[in-house]
Amino acid sequence: DADVTQTPRNRITKTGKRIMLECSQTKGHDRMYWYRQDPGLGLRLIYYSFDVKDINKGEISDGYSVSRQAQAKFSLSLESAIPNQTALYFCATSDFPAGGTGELFFGEGSRLTVL
Amino acid sequence: GQNIDQPTEMTATEGAIVQINCTYQTSGFNGLFWYQQHAGEAPTFLSYNVLDGLEEKGRFSSFLSRSKGYSYLLLKELQMKDSASYLCAVRSDYKLSFGAGTTVTVRA
Repeated sequence: DADVTQTPRNRITKTGKRIMLECSQTKGHDRMYWYRQDPGLGLRLIYYSFDVKDINKGEISDGYSVSRQAQAKFSLSLESAIPNQTALYFCATSDFPAGGTGELFFGEGSRLTVL
Repeated sequence: GQNIDQPTEMTATEGAIVQINCTYQTSGFNGLFWYQQHAGEAPTFLSYNVLDGLEEKGRFSSFLSRSKGYSYLLLKELQMKDSASYLCAVRSDYKLSFGAGTTVTVRA
C-alpha cells in the first residue's frame, strides 16, 4: 500500500460543482502539502500545513480551501470548480528537515477535469 | 519568491552522459532537490544538496554552487528507463518551489 494515498485518482466534473480531493498518509509526518501540476508550469504550491493547527496559503491558493482533519489527513476543496482548475493535483508529506533531507513524498496524483 | 530555470527538453543516446542545469534566485535558501517523474506518475526523490559540491549516488550525481545559484544533475550510462522529466526544486522557508522540469529522452 502507498504511504501517501489520494482519492479520487480521476474525476471529471462540471463548472460550478464543489469538489474535494482527499489525502491520507501513514508516514507519520507532520507536514503536508497540496500542489498542482500543469504542462510547462511545473508543480505549484496551493496550500501547506506544518501541523494539525497550522494552515498556510501557497503561491496559488485562490479558488481553493483546505482542511487538516488529523495529522494523517489533509483535504483540498474547490468550492466552485472552473475549467482552468483542470490539472493534476499532488499531495505530499515531509518530515522536519533537521538531521535529514526533509524531502517530499508524493501521493500518486488526482487528475481533475472541469468541463 | 523563487525563480528556477532549467531547459525544457534534452535528448541523448543510451549509454551516454547528460547534464541538466538549473539556475535559481531565492531568499532564505536551505536546500536544493532533484526529482524524477515518469509520465503520469508521482515525482520521486533523486538527490539533495545543501552545501557546495558534488553528491554522487550511483549513476546520478548532483552539484551545487550557492554563490552562483547553480546546480546540475548528471546522469551517466543512460538507460532507456531514464527517459523521464527531471525537476529541480529549491527549499526556502521550508517550502519547496519547483522548476518546470526537463524532459529527457533516451534514444537507442
